[in-house]
Amino acid sequence: GEDVEQSLFLSVREGDSSVINCTYTDSSSTYLYWYKQEPGAGLQLLTYIFSNMDMKQDQRLTVLLNKKDKHLSLRIADTQTGDSAIYFCAENLMFSGGYNKLIFGAGTRLAVHP
Amino acid sequence: DGGITQSPKYLFRKEGQNVTLSCEQNLNHDAMYWYRQDPGQGLRLIYYSQIVNDFQKGDIAEGYSVSREKKESFPLTVTSAQKNPTAFYLCASSRGEDSPLHFGNGTRLTVT
Repeated sequence: GEDVEQSLFLSVREGDSSVINCTYTDSSSTYLYWYKQEPGAGLQLLTYIFSNMDMKQDQRLTVLLNKKDKHLSLRIADTQTGDSAIYFCAENLMFSGGYNKLIFGAGTRLAVHP
Repeated sequence: DGGITQSPKYLFRKEGQNVTLSCEQNLNHDAMYWYRQDPGQGLRLIYYSQIVNDFQKGDIAEGYSVSREKKESFPLTVTSAQKNPTAFYLCASSRGEDSPLHFGNGTRLTVT
């Protein structure tokens, strides 16, 4: 099946770490992505992880993948007000013929307060 | 700079009219996509195209049509048959297969 689930809202204090969680259902996913959307804008690719990896770190961002539980998380260290946005988790599904499709979660709205 | 351009940013139409949303990319990507975004929901795939002159229906294609006559362009027409056309429409492109999608800044369509 195709389903990606995320909690809808997260509030953190500036300077703290944020952890956004995501679960997916298709074990054949090759890549899993995190996108960021600011108000009125398109989606910006933040980071991604290949399905044979457990962890990926990129500056303040850490992605953890538990393939057994189909659980993906994004940790943002030292969260800043500029990190306030909606964060989307997405899994990449491949089809015969080389076609691929991204399945998105509903997005987690991160609010950073002083 | 390479990127994806969607125009216009805001579009207003009367019910019963067809409207075409533009999407152009200069990334030399083979694959292009149209997604629809509604408040509190994830993105839902409308149509996608892997190569010129070929496209496939996504999960919510009813009431929409597309064309892919050029690699750079993938316009979306919202027809009068689409029951709830008011939404935020996002165009994306990728090199295909396992490559990530790159998004335009979206077009907000309001139909009254």
